[in-house]
Amino acid sequence: AQSVTQLDSHVSVSEGTPVLLRCNYSSSYSPSLFWYVQHPNKGLQLLLKYTSAATLVKGINGFEAEFKKSETSFHLTKPSAHMSDAAEYFCVVSSGTYKYIFGTGTRLKVLA
Amino acid sequence: GAGVSQTPSNKVTEKGKYVELRCDPISGHTALYWYRQSLGQGPEFLIYFQGTGAADDSGLPNDRFFAVRPEGSVSTLKIQRTERGDSAVYLCASSAGGATEAFFGQGTRLTVV
Repeated sequence: AQSVTQLDSHVSVSEGTPVLLRCNYSSSYSPSLFWYVQHPNKGLQLLLKYTSAATLVKGINGFEAEFKKSETSFHLTKPSAHMSDAAEYFCVVSSGTYKYIFGTGTRLKVLA
Repeated sequence: GAGVSQTPSNKVTEKGKYVELRCDPISGHTALYWYRQSLGQGPEFLIYFQGTGAADDSGLPNDRFFAVRPEGSVSTLKIQRTERGDSAVYLCASSAGGATEAFFGQGTRLTVV
C-alpha cells in the first residue's frame, strides 16, 4: 500500500526567505515521487520528479527536493520565495505503475 | 492540442440529473486518468484507461459513475442521478504510459444544486 503525508496544511513565509514544504511517504516498492503545484483556477503543473536516479532533484522555478529513503521523506525546498510561488503544493507517490496517490496539499502563502 | 483539454470548465446541474464530462488527452498518450478533487483535498483516483479499456476503475465511488474511451483518445465521464455530494472538480490526466509523468487538464468544476 502507498500513502503520502504532507505535514503542514499551511505555510507562510516572507518574500526572499527560504521555503520548506514537508512530505513523508509510504510505499511497498521503490517509489516514484512528484511535486505538483496548483495555482488558483489553474491546472496541476509538475514541479519535479524523482524516479530512482539522483536523490537531489531539481525542478522548475528554483525548486528542488531531496529523496531520503532512510527517513521516507521527499521535502520540497526553495532558497528564496517569490510572490508568484503562492499556491497549493501536492506531494505525490507512485509505485511505478499508473496510480498517483496525492497528499492533502500544502497552501503556501508568501508575505510581502 | 498542446495539453489536456477538459470541457466544460464549469457545470451546474440539478440534483438527480445526468451529466457528461469530456476529456481530450495529449495526442499519442495511451494512458488516461480521471481524478476527483473535493474542496480542500488532494485529487483522488477514479479510473485509469490504457488504450480503450478501463484497466482499473476501483476508485469510482458507486455505480452512478461510469467512464468510456471508445477509440483510445477522448474520454467521457458520466454521472447518473447526480447528488450534491458529487460536487467537486473533476480532473483528467494523460501520460505516455508506465511510470512517465502525467499531465493534467484544468478540470471541470461540477456543482450539483
